[in-house]
Amino acid sequence: VQLVESGGGVVQPGRSLRVSCAASGFIFFEYAMQWVRQAPGKGLEWVAVISDDGSNRYYADSIKGRFTISRDNSKNTVYLQMNTLRIEDTALYYCARYSSDNGDFEYWGQGTLVTV
Amino acid sequence: SYELTQPPSVSVSPGQTARIPCSGDVLAKNFACWYQQKTGQPPRLMIYRDNERPSGIPERFSGSSSGTTVTLTISGVQPEDEADYYCQSVDSDNSYGFGAGTKVTVL
Repeated sequence: VQLVESGGGVVQPGRSLRVSCAASGFIFFEYAMQWVRQAPGKGLEWVAVISDDGSNRYYADSIKGRFTISRDNSKNTVYLQMNTLRIEDTALYYCARYSSDNGDFEYWGQGTLVTV
Repeated sequence: SYELTQPPSVSVSPGQTARIPCSGDVLAKNFACWYQQKTGQPPRLMIYRDNERPSGIPERFSGSSSGTTVTLTISGVQPEDEADYYCQSVDSDNSYGFGAGTKVTVL
């Protein structure tokens, strides 16, 4: 299993950015996928989840209405579109494969850094 | 949303036992997981379903649950166990939460 995030960078407050996570080594469309972030020196914060077929999406209150999670099962990729970015959105953004059976984040990528 | 409460730090001598509690109302009806995070690395799943260990995780790591509290126990702590540890669970409204993390220091 490999998860590789990309698309991070430096962006001004109020602007938008999309980060991606390319998955390999497993049957992508069989798994829900998650985004979790970690501000510098801080703990883990759940951001968003998308079901295996993309029909269900749930978000943390802190980003609801500004961020959108999506996936392209033909490309084995999950995305996080981040709009109206705030300084407090500065963080390392991880994608993770979710096990619905066990309720855990089984595999994690290395993360992509977003600096607002 | 919900809260999971962990102590900010735990110190333990090598070979001793470290116990990290995590409490929250959601834990009375949902499983918890534990993650280890070392500096500069992504989190690593250590325990799922309160007390199950993924393959490759040393047997000295174990989990337990009682009421609204789950506990990660590290028996015979090794220097390489020094890390941050996070508990995590999910609520019925599909909100996911992490504890604030516990820094384990091996003296």
